[in-house]
Amino acid sequence: GAVVSQHPSWVICKSGTSVKIECRSLDFQATTMFWYRQFPKQSLMLMATSNEGSKATYEQGVEKDKFLINHASLTLSTLTVTSAHPEDSSFYICSARDSGTGQETQYFGPGTRLLVL
Amino acid sequence: QKEVEQNSGPLSVPEGAIASLNCTYSDRGSQSFFWYRQYSGKSPELIMFIYSNGDKEDGRFTAQLNKASQYVSLLIRDSQPSDSATYLCAVNANTDKLIFGTGTRLQVFP
Repeated sequence: GAVVSQHPSWVICKSGTSVKIECRSLDFQATTMFWYRQFPKQSLMLMATSNEGSKATYEQGVEKDKFLINHASLTLSTLTVTSAHPEDSSFYICSARDSGTGQETQYFGPGTRLLVL
Repeated sequence: QKEVEQNSGPLSVPEGAIASLNCTYSDRGSQSFFWYRQYSGKSPELIMFIYSNGDKEDGRFTAQLNKASQYVSLLIRDSQPSDSATYLCAVNANTDKLIFGTGTRLQVFP
């Protein structure tokens, strides 16, 4: 149980294009999902909290117009990196909380590697 | 300032030994505590969570929580080379978010 998937697992794109990453909770419902970014040999950095049916809450310094988050259902959140640039190349990881348990445990997806050329 | 602190390591232990990973946190209101394992190039994987003072055991892993000292630890018994990874401590203090430490890199050598 508590499986989270992400798609795609890796993506290479040209500078200036937009990239959409999907995060799905496969066997539970998640009213809250989280998006993290991790650069090589650095720690996880929380980008935003995604809330089903409402606007995402962004961490300080994260541009909400560049990193668009949509959480349209209880099992799916998407992160769109708009007008991607090489400095956006990173490992993007989502996590989800099981709404049914009332616990704060976050289960992570396998991550998406983004390379912007 | 809410913080979770871990020694970055690397912590090197021989195969079969006990690895002891430590974490301190600053927010006394913290309620839930988590240990995640992250292999190089992979996403974090939940190992254990603990809510109450004392010890919680799961197989070779034991989490220990001392709220008075604001300290949580993870013991790995009979360490194996496959346990070599970065271990992340995470704390929740009545918010949606988990506050992560920077992780301790564990190396288990044969």
